[in-house]
Amino acid sequence: EDQVTQSPEALRLQEGESSSLNCSYTVSGLRGLFWYRQDPGKGPEFLFTLYSAGEEKEKERLKATLTKKESFLHITAPKPEDSATYLCAVQATSGTYKYIFGTGTRLKVLA
Amino acid sequence: GAVVSQHPSRVICKSGTSVKIECRSLDFQATTMFWYRQFPKQSLMLMATSNEGSKATYEQGVEKDKFLINHASLTLSTLTVTSAHPEDSSFYICSALQAGKLFFGSGTQLSVL
Repeated sequence: EDQVTQSPEALRLQEGESSSLNCSYTVSGLRGLFWYRQDPGKGPEFLFTLYSAGEEKEKERLKATLTKKESFLHITAPKPEDSATYLCAVQATSGTYKYIFGTGTRLKVLA
Repeated sequence: GAVVSQHPSRVICKSGTSVKIECRSLDFQATTMFWYRQFPKQSLMLMATSNEGSKATYEQGVEKDKFLINHASLTLSTLTVTSAHPEDSSFYICSALQAGKLFFGSGTQLSVL
């Protein structure tokens, strides 16, 4: 069964304290892995798509990497405005457009 | 990125009434849209896949007669929660596919009294 597991569930960082969020996945075949940011009471905002192992994408203080079993979202020198829930999703090659979401990591960056 | 607009952002209704939520793709045509439900501090639960001009495909356990989905045009899908009850209170989010990526609306917080 296709599955996505994110860790940790919650993370508190001091401003400037870099860290990584993990997304482990099990799929029959990976079409793509997606990272989203979700603020409270809002819909998820697209961040990155990764398609193959070894691929990396960067945007400001965020960098996403992908292996055959997991993806990491690295946050460098975070700021309070980076506080949000970060969701990971995978899309399998099984013939549908379904995305399988993890439960997210709630990040809080303290000033 | 593609823009998906969802309305209303918040609705409070009495038990037994019906509520319609609209989801529009503003700058692209969306053949396929998805409807999700999200409980506090939980992830997105796919309710149904909406295809323009055809019947929606519902996930297991989702009552199609309670959650009516209409995708009458390439830019509009609607979700109607019929005879809403307090247990239907939740955050509903729509999304649309554009170039292989999912873009989300801003969500609708439904509270049924």
